[in-house]
Amino acid sequence: DVKVTQSSRYLVKRTGEKVFLECVQDMDHENMFWYRQDPGLGLRLIYFSYDVKMKEKGDIPEGYSVSREKKERFSLILESASTNQTSMYLCASTDWKGWNQPQHFGDGTRLSIL
Amino acid sequence: GNSVTQMEGPVTLSEEAFLTINCTYTATGYPSLFWYVQYPGEGLQLLLKATKADDKGSNKGFEATYRKETTSFHLEKGSVQVSDSAVYFCALRDTPTGGFKTIFGAGTRLFVKA
Repeated sequence: DVKVTQSSRYLVKRTGEKVFLECVQDMDHENMFWYRQDPGLGLRLIYFSYDVKMKEKGDIPEGYSVSREKKERFSLILESASTNQTSMYLCASTDWKGWNQPQHFGDGTRLSIL
Repeated sequence: GNSVTQMEGPVTLSEEAFLTINCTYTATGYPSLFWYVQYPGEGLQLLLKATKADDKGSNKGFEATYRKETTSFHLEKGSVQVSDSAVYFCALRDTPTGGFKTIFGAGTRLFVKA
C-alpha cells in the first residue's frame, strides 16, 4: 500500500515565523500536492509538483512556497506565518500513469499560528 | 471550468437507514470520478471510483454509478452503520484538459446514530 507520511500531526507556531511542513511518499509517485482544508471550504490546492524541482501554483499559493529536491519528498513553506494560515494541511501523491488513478493522502498536519 | 457540487451537510441518520449523498459535476473532457472518505483525525482515503459512463464503483457496501447524461455520481449505501460517520468528498480528475489536478467537492459530513 502507498504510504504518505506528514512529519507532524499537530504544530503550533508564532506569527512571523518561517514554518516547514514535510511530506514523504514511498511509492515513487511523480505527482505530489499540498492542500489546505477549512470548514465549509473543502480542500483547496496550494501547490503541486509533477517532477523533481518542478512546481506549479494551485488555487491559493499566496504566502506559501514549496520545495521538491527529491522525488519522494515535497515540502510546504510558510515564509512568514500569519494567523489566517491556521488550518489543516494535507499532502497527497499520485501516479501520473492513467487519469483514473486516485490521490493518496497523508493524515494531515493541524497547524495553529498564534 | 471543471467543478464538483455535492449536497451540503451535515446528514444525520439512524443506524440501518438508507444513505444518498448527491454529487453533480461539470467537466470539459472525459473525467474519472471518485468518492473519498475522511474519518475523524485522518486524511482522505479512496472509497470508490468509476472511470467511464455507466460504470459502477463499489466498496464496503457503498455504490455510485457514473451517469454522463445527468452528470452525476451519487453515493448510496443500503444500511449505514455508526462506523460510517465521516466526511465524504466527491471528486473528479479530468482528461485531457485537467492536467494533474483533482477537483474536490466541499464535502458532506455524515453522522450515524445508534
